[in-house]
Amino acid sequence: KNEVEQSPQNLTAQEGEFITINCSYSVGISALHWLQQHPGGGIVSLFMLSSGKKKHGRLIATINIQEKHSSLHITASHPRDSAVYICAVSKTSYDKVIFGPGTSLSVIP
Amino acid sequence: GAVVSQHPSWVICKSGTSVKIECRSLDFQATTMFWYRQFPKQSLMLMATSNEGSKATYEQGVEKDKFLINHASLTLSTLTVTSAHPEDSSFYICSACCDTGQPQHFGDGTRLSIL
Repeated sequence: KNEVEQSPQNLTAQEGEFITINCSYSVGISALHWLQQHPGGGIVSLFMLSSGKKKHGRLIATINIQEKHSSLHITASHPRDSAVYICAVSKTSYDKVIFGPGTSLSVIP
Repeated sequence: GAVVSQHPSWVICKSGTSVKIECRSLDFQATTMFWYRQFPKQSLMLMATSNEGSKATYEQGVEKDKFLINHASLTLSTLTVTSAHPEDSSFYICSACCDTGQPQHFGDGTRLSIL
């Protein structure tokens, strides 16, 4: 069993839809990361959180430490949001990161 | 914001060639840098952790004599794939860290293709 799992694996949405990507993990952590990987491969760090909720623009990330679960929400989705979204965990913010398998999102105009 | 520059972004070379990949932190001191590898349709996997001024720590199954890591300064770490073979073809990405409480910053990655 993978230490970090994500669902769904693939997601296709119409522009404007509200999107949710889920992440569950089985190890003790102090930091959870949400990352965005574009087709060219480059990775952008979207959020790092250890509790509660963070919001940045149309993106919202939540985490429930007791349930070992996190969600990434995208409001008013846009084709430029199309990318692979990766959940990753680390014991501390400066520890090695364990990556989930990623969720491939395609937003259709 | 903080930026990590990784170079080159794309390499195609013949089998047996050694390839060096650089990872630079541009506006912060990176005491720790991580090197990851991603095979097609697979998750990113940690290869090694490098701390400035000391030897890198390699993950199980990663050959330290094949993947040479140097972290001689607080802003630069290099990964050299020695005598590369087609099975080394992969996407390599570094991340640099960091101040406590701040996220790791990732480079743009290097796509390595060995013919």
